[in-house]
Amino acid sequence: NFMLTQPPSVSASPGKTVTISCTRSSGSIASYFVQWYQQRPGSAPTTVIYEDNQRPSGVPDRFSGSIDSSSNSASLTISGLKTEDEGDYYCQSYDGSVHVFGGGTKLTVL
Amino acid sequence: QVQLQESGPGLVKPSETLSLICGVSGYSITSGYYWGWIRQPPGKGLEWIGSVYHSGSTYYNPSLKSRVTMSVNTATNQFSLKLISVTAADTAVYFCARDKNIRFFDYWGQGALVTVSS
Repeated sequence: NFMLTQPPSVSASPGKTVTISCTRSSGSIASYFVQWYQQRPGSAPTTVIYEDNQRPSGVPDRFSGSIDSSSNSASLTISGLKTEDEGDYYCQSYDGSVHVFGGGTKLTVL
Repeated sequence: QVQLQESGPGLVKPSETLSLICGVSGYSITSGYYWGWIRQPPGKGLEWIGSVYHSGSTYYNPSLKSRVTMSVNTATNQFSLKLISVTAADTAVYFCARDKNIRFFDYWGQGALVTVSS
């Protein structure tokens, strides 16, 4: 099966923009939707982006998703960072009937 | 509003079977979608365990397939997970979630910590 690789951590100041990458090891990133989940300490994950770039209702438009076929990767961009955005972020995709999660990225808002 | 709630023993002995149930409210399991289990060892990332359809059709993580069984109880609107021959490595928070067409998880339970220890 394939793997999804994320940076272990990223940090930025309030009001700035941060981008988290998610690289797929095999299979085309464009062939299978990518999702992004936010997980705050002690809580269950919640979806912030689904199907590459769709935001669930209630998720602010500061969150956006994209894919880049040339690097076979997906990205989550958070603009206008707020302290409440701190937490772990996981990308997830699939291949046929198998789900795979990335290792997670810890976002620190300094 | 779809809600999911995990229940089951919080402590399981090594070599025994871990059993969890996920109760679903606000949505009938028979209306569609798959229903999944995901786990998270303490301080680590998420791992998909498997997903089950209301018909009983299942998809499992290849790394756990030999030890996992999932099933659905349509009468009680619940689905369950059984993991046999557990070891300390199976200690984790276990989440149940609605699996939207084997693509992504849109509703999650709050999670249940299961510790494997004698």
